Amino acid sequence: GAVVSQHPSWVICKSGTSVKIECRSLDFQATTMFWYRQFPKQSLMLMATSNEGSKATYEQGVEKDKFLINHASLTLSTLTVTSAHPEDSSFYICSARPGQGHEKLFFGSGTQLSVL
Amino acid sequence: GENVEQHPSTLSVQEGDSAVIKCTYSDSASNYFPWYKQELGKGPQLIIDIRSNVGEKKDQRIAVTLNKTAKHFSLHITETQPEDSAVYFCAASPGFQKLVFGTGTRLLVSP
Repeated sequence: GAVVSQHPSWVICKSGTSVKIECRSLDFQATTMFWYRQFPKQSLMLMATSNEGSKATYEQGVEKDKFLINHASLTLSTLTVTSAHPEDSSFYICSARPGQGHEKLFFGSGTQLSVL
Repeated sequence: GENVEQHPSTLSVQEGDSAVIKCTYSDSASNYFPWYKQELGKGPQLIIDIRSNVGEKKDQRIAVTLNKTAKHFSLHITETQPEDSAVYFCAASPGFQKLVFGTGTRLLVSP
């Protein structure tokens, strides 16, 4: 159980375009999902907390207009990188807890974004 | 806020040896400490976790110890195998809040 599915696994786009990444909890409902960003050989940095039915909470320094998060259902959260630029190239990973009261956090397989 | 330090950054061992990775945290309110294994190009995989009311937890070749007084926790892998080679991250969390990750340890197990 506790499977988090993330798509696409990799995407290449041109500078100035927008890219959407999907994160689904397959066998549980997630009122909260988390989006992380990871640069090569570095740790995971939390970008934002996605809350079902309400606005996302962004970490300090993360542009909310740049990284749009939508959590429209209990099993789906999306991250849209708007007007992508080469510096947005990174590994993006979502995660979720299998329900209220659970501490364990499970991660998706990640999305490698390359902006040309 | 919470700050997690992790050592060493790289660790090379021979197959069959033990490997130990150590982390320290700063926030005494943290009470949940998971460890993740990340292979290249993949998302982190939860391998073991411990709560602050427990001093040690073991799962086959993997064990985690926690010293709440010193704010230290460690991952122990015994009888290492080449497939244990990966990057390992520790993390700390004050309950159900966000996880703060360590900087990662690249483990290489040579046959």
